[in-house]
Amino acid sequence: EAGVVQSPRYKIIEKKQPVAFWCNPISGHNTLYWYRQNLGQGPELLIRYENEEAVDDSQLPKDRFSAERLKGVDSTLKIQPAELGDSAVYLCASSPPEMNTEAFFGQGTRLTVV
Amino acid sequence: KNQVEQSPQSLIILEGKNCTLQCNYTVSPFSNLRWYKQDTGRGPVSLTIMTFSENTKSNGRYTATLDADTKQSSLHITASQLSDSASYICVVSEGAGGFKTIFGAGTRLFVKA
Repeated sequence: EAGVVQSPRYKIIEKKQPVAFWCNPISGHNTLYWYRQNLGQGPELLIRYENEEAVDDSQLPKDRFSAERLKGVDSTLKIQPAELGDSAVYLCASSPPEMNTEAFFGQGTRLTVV
Repeated sequence: KNQVEQSPQSLIILEGKNCTLQCNYTVSPFSNLRWYKQDTGRGPVSLTIMTFSENTKSNGRYTATLDADTKQSSLHITASQLSDSASYICVVSEGAGGFKTIFGAGTRLFVKA
């Protein structure tokens, strides 16, 4: 079975340009997370979905970041416009509906804003 | 404020040696604690997950311990291999269901031949 699939793996854009990341979670996993990871740091939660509902988006910079999970399966995370400080690895993870289970991570998208 | 602190920040050991990584947390209410291994350029991969009632769990050469009273956890790696070189991240979940997670900054382990 395929794990969490993210694309693209790498993205280089100029500041002020828009960018979008895509994530396809593991089949049957209703919880989906987007994280941002800066170099040498642990991942920081941006948004968590339960099915198609965003249940925790308190850390999402809503002035420039947006996310959607139509139909409760795959998800996109968008930044518009991008800033230099947005350079990071964006990780998607999913977990099954049972409590206290592990989350499975994708390989991430490394974003470089120049 | 809920926090997860890991030590050391980085560690260099010789192949074949053992090592122990530490994790202290102030997360409340506690739900579970996980250790992840993250290779360079990859997403984190789960090693162990422990709930309040568990105080040790093993996964091959990795053994995690949890002391919920002192809010401390450790990850012990036995007979290290070059492939153990990675970041090890402690993650503590709070609240019902354990879906709200707080990540530590990780310990960067380098295993030398």
